[in-house]
Amino acid sequence: NAGVTQTPKFQVLKTGQSMTLQCAQDMNHEYMSWYRQDPGMGLRLIHYSVGAGITDQGEVPNGYNVSRSTTEDFPLRLLSAAPSQTSVYFCASSYSQGRQPQHFGDGTRLSIL
Amino acid sequence: AQTVTQSQPEMSVQEAETVTLSCTYDTSESNYYLFWYKQPPSRQMILVIRQEAYKQQNATENRFSVNFQKAAKSFSLKISDSQLGDTAMYFCAFMNYGGATNKLIFGTGTLLAVQP
Repeated sequence: NAGVTQTPKFQVLKTGQSMTLQCAQDMNHEYMSWYRQDPGMGLRLIHYSVGAGITDQGEVPNGYNVSRSTTEDFPLRLLSAAPSQTSVYFCASSYSQGRQPQHFGDGTRLSIL
Repeated sequence: AQTVTQSQPEMSVQEAETVTLSCTYDTSESNYYLFWYKQPPSRQMILVIRQEAYKQQNATENRFSVNFQKAAKSFSLKISDSQLGDTAMYFCAFMNYGGATNKLIFGTGTLLAVQP
């Protein structure tokens, strides 16, 4: 039982490049989400999914796309990276009912030059 | 919209002493959850303790306890017998109960340093 696995752990991109941050969980959780963490701002929700085939926007969705083709995977795509997307990204998952705490991955540190 | 405020950006405590981290929140909801997450230098987000708003009893997990004041919308974390391994960033977070999402709303964090 690996929990929530994020890859890569570190990445440097040039402005305009695209990439996908991977997130996988093996706990059969329906709910998955992506947050970004910036200094002095806590964590903010980018996108979330309540089950396979269902995604929705969070607080800061611009510049990011997601899809949920399986229960296990929830990749986050940066279509055209911008320096403002330099951040630490966390994926989290939980059972769909709100009373369950979320499990976080170890994060991906992304730098856009 | 819900907001979470942590007014102490940094705190320091001596090993074995007790420290209290403050958190206030704003919501019009009556049913919700509150959490404290710990983020050590390893960057992991670790759940420390949680409180259901409908429970009057304050949650306790070993050396960690909360003081939940629903009317005042206050949710402080007390760490007793502080240890060097408690050095971390601590985030207070809010989640609406039974909503369409499990969205967590985080405060900006308090960086706690435990001094030997």
